[in-house]
Amino acid sequence: DAGVIQSPRHEVTEMGQEVTLRCKPISGHDYLFWYRQTMMRGLELLIYFNNNVPIDDSGMPEDRFSAKMPNASFSTLKIQPSEPRDSAVYFCASWPGVAGELFFGEGSRLTVL
Amino acid sequence: AQSVTQLGSHVSVSEGALVLLRCNYSSSVPPYLFWYVQYPNQGLQLLLKYTSAATLVKGINGFEAEFKKSETSFHLTKPSAHMSDAAEYFCAVSPYGQNFVFGPGTRLSVLP
Repeated sequence: DAGVIQSPRHEVTEMGQEVTLRCKPISGHDYLFWYRQTMMRGLELLIYFNNNVPIDDSGMPEDRFSAKMPNASFSTLKIQPSEPRDSAVYFCASWPGVAGELFFGEGSRLTVL
Repeated sequence: AQSVTQLGSHVSVSEGALVLLRCNYSSSVPPYLFWYVQYPNQGLQLLLKYTSAATLVKGINGFEAEFKKSETSFHLTKPSAHMSDAAEYFCAVSPYGQNFVFGPGTRLSVLP
């Protein structure tokens, strides 16, 4: 398996623009997580899905952020409109469930100017 | 609620010295415990995990961790640090069948 695949790896955009980050989890994993990492705040859980259903979105900063998982092999994290404070590395991770390890993608580095 | 604390946001050791990174957790149910490592500009990767088998767990790159239920701890050790061990280390707890909760991370520096 190719592991968790994220795109784009790097994104530079201007304030106010829409940003869409994409993730393909490992086949057969029932859980998908979105994290954000910054120097100031460390690793933050934004949202996670179980069998394509959002379970906990309490970490989503505000209404500008939305996440979807239309099927078991694809998820998106959208920021609209983007702001400079959204600049961070966004990680997607998939998990097979009980006793399994969490597998991380390489991350999407977002810079909002 | 489950939580993870890591004592020391930054730890420095000399090359060849013992590495000790501390992790304490709180969990209302027997947890699964993990250590992850993150090298610069990379994602997190698994070092080792405890899933209720042996309390002393061996991982990659010579690291090991011991689960101590009475102390609710899962400290990470390595007998002899190498320059390539410089990275950020995260402890995580996964209560049975539930979410993952990560600690704040400890940045390890290895001095020549």
